[in-house]
Amino acid sequence: QSALTQPPSVSGSPGQSVTISCTGTSSDVGDYDYVSWYQQHPGKAPKLMIYDVNKRASEVPDRFSGSKSGNTASLTISGLQADDEADYYCCSYAGNYHVGFGGGTRLTIL
Amino acid sequence: VQLVESGGGVVQPGRSLRLSCAGSGFTFSTYGMYWVRQAPGQGLEWVALISDDGNDKYYADSVRGRFTISRDNSKNTLHLQMDRLSTEDTALYYCAKDMGRFRFVFHYWGPGTLVTVSS
Repeated sequence: QSALTQPPSVSGSPGQSVTISCTGTSSDVGDYDYVSWYQQHPGKAPKLMIYDVNKRASEVPDRFSGSKSGNTASLTISGLQADDEADYYCCSYAGNYHVGFGGGTRLTIL
Repeated sequence: VQLVESGGGVVQPGRSLRLSCAGSGFTFSTYGMYWVRQAPGQGLEWVALISDDGNDKYYADSVRGRFTISRDNSKNTLHLQMDRLSTEDTALYYCAKDMGRFRFVFHYWGPGTLVTVSS
């Protein structure tokens, strides 16, 4: 069982926007700003997209943005492109030097 | 930055395996390092982390007492000693570099090494 809850799948058409939610608790997402997001294409290693809730990793386009409200973090992807089709994982520090991942969300471009 | 894991393979339940991760392109001794695993068709699971100097080590509950993370900064290498392996440990094991000592950000990842525990 994953520490953080993500929707199994989301979809959108090219040019549209989608938001992926990541729900934790007051002991992880709600208590720390160490929330990050990772993109994983099939057969590839994950890639850091967002860290510290809303900071973009280097060379990540500004179409990707992160936010947090209470115990829920969100990743928004605007201007969807075909290459955005991938699995996305959220991650949060959970105290006591422990880290938890969400179960992952499959983004499908229609 | 480059991270390359090695040491994976097929092992019987109850046996041991040692993974390694060679880092290059950055000052290895100044960053925390992690192991993360992904079971076939499943999501990501954090396994262990180690501080830049190797003195502080932390483990997921699922592996504590069986796995040991270590590093050799003179050789820019990270290790994961896995003992008393079970079929539930079957996964692709990634090493990852933090953004600092303990920033809890998996900044760069290796391609992974596959561990299969099977009789």
